[in-house]
Amino acid sequence: AIQLTQSPSSLSASVGDKVTITCRASQGIYSALAWYQQRPGKPPKLLIYDVSTLERGVPSRFSGSGSGTDFTLTISGLQPEDFATYYCQQFTDFLLSFGGGTKVEIK
Amino acid sequence: EVQLLESGGGLVQLGGSLRLSCVASGFSFRNYGMNWVRQAPGKGLEWVAGISDTGGSAFYADSVKGRFTISRDNFKNTLYLQINSLRAGDTAFYYCGKDLLGAVPYLDSWGQGTLVTVSS
Repeated sequence: AIQLTQSPSSLSASVGDKVTITCRASQGIYSALAWYQQRPGKPPKLLIYDVSTLERGVPSRFSGSGSGTDFTLTISGLQPEDFATYYCQQFTDFLLSFGGGTKVEIK
Repeated sequence: EVQLLESGGGLVQLGGSLRLSCVASGFSFRNYGMNWVRQAPGKGLEWVAGISDTGGSAFYADSVKGRFTISRDNFKNTLYLQINSLRAGDTAFYYCGKDLLGAVPYLDSWGQGTLVTVSS
């Protein structure tokens, strides 16, 4: 099974900061990668799929990039509601896996 | 509006069995693949199983293969997860999630989750 490694596992940032989260796959996954946001006590919310396609209703300050094994989620201009945990997810041959998560905390 | 409502969780003894349900509404259930994802308290997300729109194909994480069975009833708009031989490591919130597109497993809608607690 393909493993996804996220870094960092946590970070502290201030409102207005630019934040970058990295997701590395154990083997190439083409463009089958998504990003989710999870706030405490809530289910995950899909933000981005196919590496860089923004889900409907997701603010444009969120963006995704990458290819092969290395992918990034960028939040340009962190807002108070963005403090949450973020997960990457891939699928290959209908088997899914998630990264370990990155918790974005208020500095 | 898409709604997914899980049920069936609870306190279960080690080695026991449980069947989780997820009732779907607000979309054409029979046209979408569905998945179960679990999250141990304070931990990350773990995909456990997925099923095609017709129910003809099912997929499992290695960690649950042979103990978990995913199924669906497209007449009742309901997804199921049968869990056998429960282990302490199965303690988690179990979420059902809907594929973004018919057979593309990005999960664009999630239920609120049902908690399974395995006791010894």
